[in-house]
Amino acid sequence: SQELEQSPQSLIVQEGKNLTINCTSSKTLYGLYWYKQKYGEGLIFLMMLQKGGEEKSHEKITAKLDEKKQQSSLHITASQPSHAGIYLCGADPFSGNTGKLIFGQGTTLQVKP
Amino acid sequence: ETGVTQSPTHLIKTRGQQVTLRCSSQSGHNTVSWYQQALGQGPQFIFQYYREEENGRGNFPPRFSGLQFPNYSSELNVNALELDDSALYLCASSYAGGTEAFFGQGTRLTVV
Repeated sequence: SQELEQSPQSLIVQEGKNLTINCTSSKTLYGLYWYKQKYGEGLIFLMMLQKGGEEKSHEKITAKLDEKKQQSSLHITASQPSHAGIYLCGADPFSGNTGKLIFGQGTTLQVKP
Repeated sequence: ETGVTQSPTHLIKTRGQQVTLRCSSQSGHNTVSWYQQALGQGPQFIFQYYREEENGRGNFPPRFSGLQFPNYSSELNVNALELDDSALYLCASSYAGGTEAFFGQGTRLTVV
């Protein structure tokens, strides 16, 4: 079965600094989702990548899917306290956008003012 | 805000009891997926409903069951609650074959 490994597990950065979170899959990714979660709350959709080499940006957050479609990175530029939370990568293990996602264990981000 | 709403937000149940959680999907979405998220872990897929029928199931026992209604809203039922069922339960709505999956705010279930 497919597994997702996120690194680092937790991250503390000073406000204004850049950071990167990685998500590595044991198998080819058919769809890779990035979500943000505040503790104990629902998941907020950030972006979804499907094609090898694809890159998407939203505000100060950029996500990339590598050419081999087995690794994705999430990069935050000039971090702010509002970026704090848990970042989760999720993958569709099947082709055809089934919506039956598997998730990594999450990366907890703290941003110090 | 996603338009996916779950109820209740919190509840406490006793071991052995049964519980029903509810989810209303985003307008235009015909698929609902349910997930269990234990503390400090990523969500785990329980099952998915499409057009009122179960459309795939994760590694969860039969005491986890569900329903989907004609308006695409959904219920998750858990029988014979165990202490390990304590978790955040999330539902996600999507359009079959689509590239977006939006989550509700979750229901925090505590089994004592």
